[in-house]
Amino acid sequence: QVQLQESGPGLVKPSETLSLTCTVSGGSISGFYWSWIRQPPGKGLEWIGYIYYSGSTNYNPSLKSRVIISVDTSKNQFSLRLNSVTAADTAVYYCAREAGSKYYFDYWGQGDLVTVSS
Amino acid sequence: EIVLTQSPGTLSLSPGERATLSCRASQSVSSSYLAWYQQKPGQAPRLLICGASSRATGIPDRFSGSGSGTDFTLTISRLEPEDFAVYYCQHFGNSLFTFGPGTKVDIK
Repeated sequence: QVQLQESGPGLVKPSETLSLTCTVSGGSISGFYWSWIRQPPGKGLEWIGYIYYSGSTNYNPSLKSRVIISVDTSKNQFSLRLNSVTAADTAVYYCAREAGSKYYFDYWGQGDLVTVSS
Repeated sequence: EIVLTQSPGTLSLSPGERATLSCRASQSVSSSYLAWYQQKPGQAPRLLICGASSRATGIPDRFSGSGSGTDFTLTISRLEPEDFAVYYCQHFGNSLFTFGPGTKVDIK
């Protein structure tokens, strides 16, 4: 059974960089697209971007200028960096697996709340 | 960019009743790229339906999806207590994933 686990600081100061890592267990990171998705408190889901195991990426245009997603296949991990954060970036951040070129998410992490505050 | 609209925003029903949730796309989309998720408080979304009408593994048959073009529907034939949750539709197009705003199904 594939499992995803987000990790990273739960509190980030405004204007700084939010960094999260997703560790994949129970399966290989190879051969799949991996996404970051976020959900502000009490609101809906927003797709941030994806990375293919080979390193190619695609980002939500609304966040593209501030986002970098990277992958480390040796550790079965992928990571999110979001710079110049503001309070509007406060959200639960999920990592998820896209189900093998089927364009939906079949496995999700439990989510990690990141609060932007001084 | 394709925009997904879900209606109603909130659906108040009793256990045993039928729930009909709508997802409308701003332009015609391939049904192959339309999925539905269920989210309960404090939990990650769970895949219910993919390809507009195929149930994901382990999803009870009281959940069904239908539709094509711009109009898609998620139907829960008889609501069980565990079905009260928020439901999201999701689409993939132009290399981007988009989610609808969600429909909350709550207990009447």
